[in-house]
Amino acid sequence: AQTVTQSQPEMSVQEAETVTLSCTYDTSENNYYLFWYKQPPSRQMILVIRQEAYKQQNATENRFSVNFQKAAKSFSLKISDSQLGDTAMYFCAFGSRGGADGLTFGKGTHLIIQP
Amino acid sequence: DVKVTQSSRYLVKRTGEKVFLECVQDMDHENMFWYRQDPGLGLRLIYFSYDVKMKEKGDIPEGYSVSREKKERFSLILESASTNQTSMYLCASSPAGREPTDTQYFGPGTRLTVL
Repeated sequence: AQTVTQSQPEMSVQEAETVTLSCTYDTSENNYYLFWYKQPPSRQMILVIRQEAYKQQNATENRFSVNFQKAAKSFSLKISDSQLGDTAMYFCAFGSRGGADGLTFGKGTHLIIQP
Repeated sequence: DVKVTQSSRYLVKRTGEKVFLECVQDMDHENMFWYRQDPGLGLRLIYFSYDVKMKEKGDIPEGYSVSREKKERFSLILESASTNQTSMYLCASSPAGREPTDTQYFGPGTRLTVL
């Protein structure tokens, strides 16, 4: 079974700063997907970024980027030029290739962007 | 855009009642999922389904059942609600066999309180 660990229950940074959220995982599989989801106070879970394990290049989406270290089983999220709207719970998740199985989530990091 | 809807945002039930949580997706996704979300625990998979009338147990299926009679609809059933089932319930769907597989799209959630 896979496990996902987010070691930072809560983080707080000033607006416009860069922040990095940590995530490590454990798996014996070689092909898989990793995700960061965002859950704002309104509750709707939103996909932030997605990484295929077989791709060495780190995924980026505008101000969001990941540092994927497959050998170390590490998948951190970097948010550049943070904005007040980035305040949310962030969940790291693991998914097996194939698409039909559920995701394994970490416990989440509550990110607070201070004005 | 994918739209996943859940029948209620808030629900209050009494111990012993039979509870139905409904989820509908409009993107012809094959896979559907039910998670519960509790503070400090992240999201945990209850049940999932990869086809009509098919279901698979997730990590915490005890006390729950599901029904999938139509492709777009996936119901979670609490046969006899108990106070320890007070939680946030999230439904999700994902496509199978076409990119982006493994990416799950979430509904807004149902906050269930069992008194």
